[in-house]
Amino acid sequence: QKEVEQDPGPLSVPEGAIVSLNCTYSNSAFQYFMWYRQYSRKGPELLMYTYSSGNKEDGRFTAQVDKSSKYISLFIRDSQPSDSATYLCAMSGRNSGNTPLVFGKGTRLSVIA
Amino acid sequence: GAGVSQTPSNKVTEKGKYVELRCDPISGHTALYWYRQSLGQGPEFLIYFQGTGAADDSGLPNDRFFAVRPEGSVSTLKIQRTERGDSAVYLCASSVAGNNSPLHFGNGTRLTVT
Repeated sequence: QKEVEQDPGPLSVPEGAIVSLNCTYSNSAFQYFMWYRQYSRKGPELLMYTYSSGNKEDGRFTAQVDKSSKYISLFIRDSQPSDSATYLCAMSGRNSGNTPLVFGKGTRLSVIA
Repeated sequence: GAGVSQTPSNKVTEKGKYVELRCDPISGHTALYWYRQSLGQGPEFLIYFQGTGAADDSGLPNDRFFAVRPEGSVSTLKIQRTERGDSAVYLCASSVAGNNSPLHFGNGTRLTVT
């Protein structure tokens, strides 16, 4: 079992739909959780950054972390064609200093106008 | 301001050759990372620098891979005796040091070994 599992999709939704993206993980030491968006032939771009459990909202994006279930989610409201990209979850541990981010495979999303 | 810059954007080389990939991090970021992303996969960690020293090189797949950051800014990833399996996008990222701060990625170097 990989440390971080993410359904690669592809996921196709109509414009305006609510999108739900998810990851599960096995390492209980993970404390920092991130979502990155990656357009084709570009580097990953940070969307959301959360520490420990709870919700965080930023515009149309909401990130949720449930550490008891080792499950994280990203919700996109009122999805737009410009949201079409690959979404990567990433997480790291609690050690002092930087620890390497561990990424999921990414979910490829298409929002159809 | 300028983001993380990686050169070249594309590199095609023959099996057995040596390649160097360059990364210019965001000014003031002391932490620098190299990741490798294969088609349909998420980025996989290779090596992390804090300043000039490699703080964690546990992700380097074998001794053909080496990276340096001599002045604590620009970094070079070096691959000797390239193999077809080395073909991937090599991503560089930088961050403000400490406490698992988020990474800022460049657009990568797409390496193809023929």
